[in-house]
Amino acid sequence: GAGVSQSPSNKVTEKGKDVELRCDPISGHTALYWYRQSLGQGLEFLIYFQGNSAPDKSGLPSDRFSAERTGGSVSTLTIQRTQQEDSAVYLCASSSDGTSFYEQYFGPGTRLTVT
Amino acid sequence: AQSVAQPEDQVNVAEGNPLTVKCTYSVSGNPYLFWYVQYPNRGLQFLLKYITGDNLVKGSYGFEAEFNKSQTSFHLKKPSALVSDSALYFCAVRVPSSGSARQLTFGSGTQLTVLP
Repeated sequence: GAGVSQSPSNKVTEKGKDVELRCDPISGHTALYWYRQSLGQGLEFLIYFQGNSAPDKSGLPSDRFSAERTGGSVSTLTIQRTQQEDSAVYLCASSSDGTSFYEQYFGPGTRLTVT
Repeated sequence: AQSVAQPEDQVNVAEGNPLTVKCTYSVSGNPYLFWYVQYPNRGLQFLLKYITGDNLVKGSYGFEAEFNKSQTSFHLKKPSALVSDSALYFCAVRVPSSGSARQLTFGSGTQLTVLP
């Protein structure tokens, strides 16, 4: 079946601009995660959605970062007033539910470059 | 706080030889452990996991890993390496009883190169 998809695959933006990154999870998966992968920081957790519960935003690095998940499916990660340090690959993952023993399935990522 | 260490940034092995990619963890509580692989310009692919039970777990593509509680390790192994196994490997942990039970905490990754 279809895996996790993300768009765009690459995004180049100027410093100070806002960007939106999209994630389509695997159909039926109720849990959705955003991670950031960068050279200096490795893989970092950003935010977690589970069904209709309030998201766990504990990993968001600043208030310039926000995310929403509409209808329990598609999610959008928004970065306002982008900075060069935001350059990274943003990975989305989904799992059957938020239970810890279920593995997460990752999308191909969006490579963000802030110039 | 939980953490994962992958002490080797790079592992080189000849094709046909056994391979080991090391992972150690530090957690409070019982861990759930995972291995993922990342090919160039691709997302992470799940390989295997340890939740409970048999300490030796088998996963995709002939990989296996052994959970060792006393050594807090979860090393990834394969009896005979293939050139196509060359990729970046990540170990990850979750602790169900912790406040951060939902997300994975990743190691820094190990680049595996299998030489023909």
